Amino acid sequence: DAGVTQSPTHLIKTRGQQVTLRCSPKSGHDTVSWYQQALGQGPQFIFQYYEEEERQRGNFPDRFSGHQFPNYSSELNVNALLLGDSALYLCASITGLNTEAFFGQGTRLTVV
Amino acid sequence: KQEVTQIPAALSVPEGENLVLNCSFTDSAIYNLQWFRQDPGKGLTSLLLIQSSQREQTSGRLNASLDKSSGRSTLYIAASQPGDSATYLCAVRLPTSYDKVIFGPGTSLSVIP
Repeated sequence: DAGVTQSPTHLIKTRGQQVTLRCSPKSGHDTVSWYQQALGQGPQFIFQYYEEEERQRGNFPDRFSGHQFPNYSSELNVNALLLGDSALYLCASITGLNTEAFFGQGTRLTVV
Repeated sequence: KQEVTQIPAALSVPEGENLVLNCSFTDSAIYNLQWFRQDPGKGLTSLLLIQSSQREQTSGRLNASLDKSSGRSTLYIAASQPGDSATYLCAVRLPTSYDKVIFGPGTSLSVIP
């Protein structure tokens, strides 16, 4: 079992550009959540996808959008990048309630 | 609004010591609480999951307790080793938001050989 995989591992973008991050959930998991973790802070919930629809959303602007595919993999898109978007972006997958959340290794995004 | 705090923010101990990390949350209505380990620049590794109906969970040298009524959880690490050096995060899952998980800021642990 490959667990949760994210790509790319590192990314450098220029302010104003757009970026797409990718996540493949753990085998058998149908729900994917995305988190943003700034340096020295705990992860902040961005949104969650289930059955190809956004089900929950945290306090993030519309510049942050996502998608889930029929195979449960997911993308996080960020438009009009700001310097403050520099962070580690984490993807988590679960299946069902009261189950353990599994996280990927993250994508380190640097906006210059 | 659920808020999660962790004390201390940083901890440095000599190898072999037993230690306790603390996690507090403001709203006792949670589905479960999960402890994670994070190495620098890396993702999160799940250590222990405690359901809201449970009092504690154990895995090897780790023991986590949960007191929902007081909004507290502790992570006990026995006989600490340099390889335990990492940031430890606790996170609570909210019952009204399916998978919205609220994280604490973490405790940075350094175990000195």
